[in-house]
Amino acid sequence: RKEVEQDPGPFNVPEGATVAFNCTYSNSASQSFFWYRQDCRKEPKLLMSVYSSGNEDGRFTAQLNRASQYISLLIRDSKLSDSATYLCVVNSDNYGQNFVFGPGTRLSVLP
Amino acid sequence: NAGVTQTPKFQVLKTGQSMTLQCAQDMNHNSMYWYRQDPGMGLRLIYYSASEGTTDKGEVPNGYNVSRLNKREFSLRLESAAPSQTSVYFCASIFNYGYTFGSGTRLTVV
Repeated sequence: RKEVEQDPGPFNVPEGATVAFNCTYSNSASQSFFWYRQDCRKEPKLLMSVYSSGNEDGRFTAQLNRASQYISLLIRDSKLSDSATYLCVVNSDNYGQNFVFGPGTRLSVLP
Repeated sequence: NAGVTQTPKFQVLKTGQSMTLQCAQDMNHNSMYWYRQDPGMGLRLIYYSASEGTTDKGEVPNGYNVSRLNKREFSLRLESAAPSQTSVYFCASIFNYGYTFGSGTRLTVV
């Protein structure tokens, strides 16, 4: 089983739609969780951290479920500019406490 | 602007050739990383350096070597390139829990 798994998509949604991505992780000791955004042929950029109590940043909401070992990202009122690949990132006990990236979920917001 | 600078942006190598990817950060971060990204595989850690003078293997180190020249610079070397090393390479540094990535090097080995 991969350490971090994501639905690869693509998710094709119309502008204004609400879309949710899930990410599962295998290391129950993981403590830090993030969502990154990667535009086509660009480097990943931090979108938001994921806190135990859940957190919101504008149209984006992140949730953590430790019991089931998954995190989610909800995007409300999708914009064309939200089209990107969304990467789930979890800290790992391997490789000096580094972080493991999921393979990403591709989102296309259609006009 | 502050950040991570990678060179070159594009490179085509013949099998067996060698090259060094350069990376420098001006944020005074201790930890630096080299990742490769392949379709459907996500980012995989090649090598990392937790501090100046130290380097350690990541998930996919075979065929690569690294040098942490000083706090700013962390280079990745391919001694004898193979087609399996065709990929996009990202350098990154980290402070607390946020990675800052370079813009990537697209490497093709023919």
